[in-house]
Amino acid sequence: NAGVTQTPKFQVLKTGQSMTLQCAQDMNHNSMYWYRQDPGMGLRLIYYSASEGTTDKGEVPNGYNVSRLNKREFSLRLESAAPSQTSVYFCASSHFDRVVYGYTFGSGTRLTVV
Amino acid sequence: AQTVTQSQPEMSVQEAETVTLSCTYDTSENNYYLFWYKQPPSRQMILVIRQEAYKQQNATENRFSVNFQKAAKSFSLKISDSQLGDTAMYFCAFMNPPSNFGNEKLTFGTGTRLTIIP
Repeated sequence: NAGVTQTPKFQVLKTGQSMTLQCAQDMNHNSMYWYRQDPGMGLRLIYYSASEGTTDKGEVPNGYNVSRLNKREFSLRLESAAPSQTSVYFCASSHFDRVVYGYTFGSGTRLTVV
Repeated sequence: AQTVTQSQPEMSVQEAETVTLSCTYDTSENNYYLFWYKQPPSRQMILVIRQEAYKQQNATENRFSVNFQKAAKSFSLKISDSQLGDTAMYFCAFMNPPSNFGNEKLTFGTGTRLTIIP
């Protein structure tokens, strides 16, 4: 099925460990995003990539890095995980014009940092 | 920066009744897009309805409709004939018009947890 695939779905890290969240889309969308969802906070944008080869900071970028590997893939890296990064992470991709609207979210990664 | 406010953290309603979820936003833009997303316990983000600010007519999708008041910067969601499957978190979201750069960032509210009571 077409869509956005995130891996892993669950992860537990110890403080200071590093990891990379993977995201891939097969809809040929130009733009991709990483959001985090915390209780009572809604979804907040961490980083985004408007097109292949470009990345920009969102609302809460501290402690994260991203790589737009190609048009399909957009990864999020935590270099030194902290308990404050315990959250649910969503990857999304988009294509938008006045005729077609496509904004697709992955199923999320629940990350716990202990 | 745009902000989106959902002032009802939780709501509950009897099955088959009508419920309205509130959303207000702040922007200096004249043209923009507004959305309601549903997030059931499965965690999946599901688009419920969208509204373009340049359109006067309120959007409708089956049992879901919006009351878009541009001057008041208000965007409420009405769910008619509510069903048990409507139980979920509902998020209001704002988006500036996409540019040629292809960036469509969403700004979300904090959500309303809706429970449909059998």
